[in-house]
Amino acid sequence: DAGITQSPRHKVTETGTPVTLRCHQTENHRYMYWYRQDPGHGLRLIHYSYGVKDTDKGEVSDGYSVSRSKTEDFLLTLESATSSQTSVYFCAINSGLAGTDTQYFGPGTRLTVL
Amino acid sequence: SQELEQSPQSLIVQEGKNLTINCTSSKTLYGLYWYKQKYGEGLIFLMMLQKGGEEKSHEKITAKLDEKKQQSSLHITASQPSHAGIYLCGADNTGTASKLTFGTGTRLQVTL
Repeated sequence: DAGITQSPRHKVTETGTPVTLRCHQTENHRYMYWYRQDPGHGLRLIHYSYGVKDTDKGEVSDGYSVSRSKTEDFLLTLESATSSQTSVYFCAINSGLAGTDTQYFGPGTRLTVL
Repeated sequence: SQELEQSPQSLIVQEGKNLTINCTSSKTLYGLYWYKQKYGEGLIFLMMLQKGGEEKSHEKITAKLDEKKQQSSLHITASQPSHAGIYLCGADNTGTASKLTFGTGTRLQVTL
């Protein structure tokens, strides 16, 4: 257990509404990530953070924004949800320390956009 | 084409049989991570390989890294129903390990 929680775990929303997913960690890891998992595409990186207020885009960042105002929290926002954003979203953390560079994943959030 | 190819995409084996899953990168491999995922759950870290020729084992699961071929294999000996799930490999192609590229996964079913 890497001390990662995601909320909510399940959400159903309508097209055009804003949605925010939260990832919370308890171990002060430097790196935090948001992925989406879809059949046939595997895991794809949306955004990641390498410190408080330091974020960067991944390969599928369009339509998503992130914020990290505290070490322990990394928020993913869909400004105006679309049906193509129906997916399972995973948060991950990484200590970033040499020798222990491993990503550990949260339990996931299943998002359905109607 | 995918930067990271996993094969096979799915596998059905009888309990007690051995099996191998492969992961091939089209880019230089600095590290390779193996994860297991049960349906509807998160990814569980299995092993990390960083050096060419490195081999690691945990219980009945062995993973090897062939740096020259940019390939890793995951071998399960005497499979059990508890081994069923989706196995994913993640590649470090930058040398920093801060960003990984993932394969699409191999779905393993173990029959009695």
